[in-house]
Amino acid sequence: DVKVTQSSRYLVKRTGEKVFLECVQDMDHENMFWYRQDPGLGLRLIYFSYDVKMKEKGDIPEGYSVSREKKERFSLILESASTNQTSMYLCASSPETGGSTNEKLFFGSGTQLSVL
Amino acid sequence: GQQVMQIPQYQHVQEGEDFTTYCNSSTTLSNIQWYKQRPGGHPVFLIQLVKSGEVKKQKRLTFQFGEAKKNSSLHITATQTTDVGTYFCAASNSGYALNFGKGTSLLVTP
Repeated sequence: DVKVTQSSRYLVKRTGEKVFLECVQDMDHENMFWYRQDPGLGLRLIYFSYDVKMKEKGDIPEGYSVSREKKERFSLILESASTNQTSMYLCASSPETGGSTNEKLFFGSGTQLSVL
Repeated sequence: GQQVMQIPQYQHVQEGEDFTTYCNSSTTLSNIQWYKQRPGGHPVFLIQLVKSGEVKKQKRLTFQFGEAKKNSSLHITATQTTDVGTYFCAASNSGYALNFGKGTSLLVTP
């Protein structure tokens, strides 16, 4: 089974701190994604990566950056955490996209981040 | 990103009743996927629809993709308490990234 591991289940940080959320997948997937999930808003795409050192902005990239130095690891960085970044963060991976269809996403268990 | 609208936002049914959630887009979709998220869990892939008018079944779940590939539905026959959770549709008109609807939260009362 594909395993997507997020380093922390719960995280509490202070406003202005630099925050790193780590995600590792063990199935050699090319694509990796970061979503945030908020009540009533569903899942919103922050950033994604389709190859090592490649990154693409999603719908809500402001205040975030990402790093993909190795294929299995995709990090989400909050340069200066703010209270409106309190949320559930979900990492996902998928194999290489073949043609016009999308491959299914495998999600990690999520990191509930609270910024105080 | 591709916008998909999902309704209803919430649905509360008695066990044994049917349930349907709908997903709509203003533009043609290349494919649509459905996910289920149990309370406290993470989204888990259910199915992908690709062809116009496609219908797929998984036991009590029936998934449909519209003829114009602009809408989709998930229907659950005779709900059970194990069906509780939030159901998301996710779509892309091309490329790598899926955009998710806001989800329909289903509550089933025994």
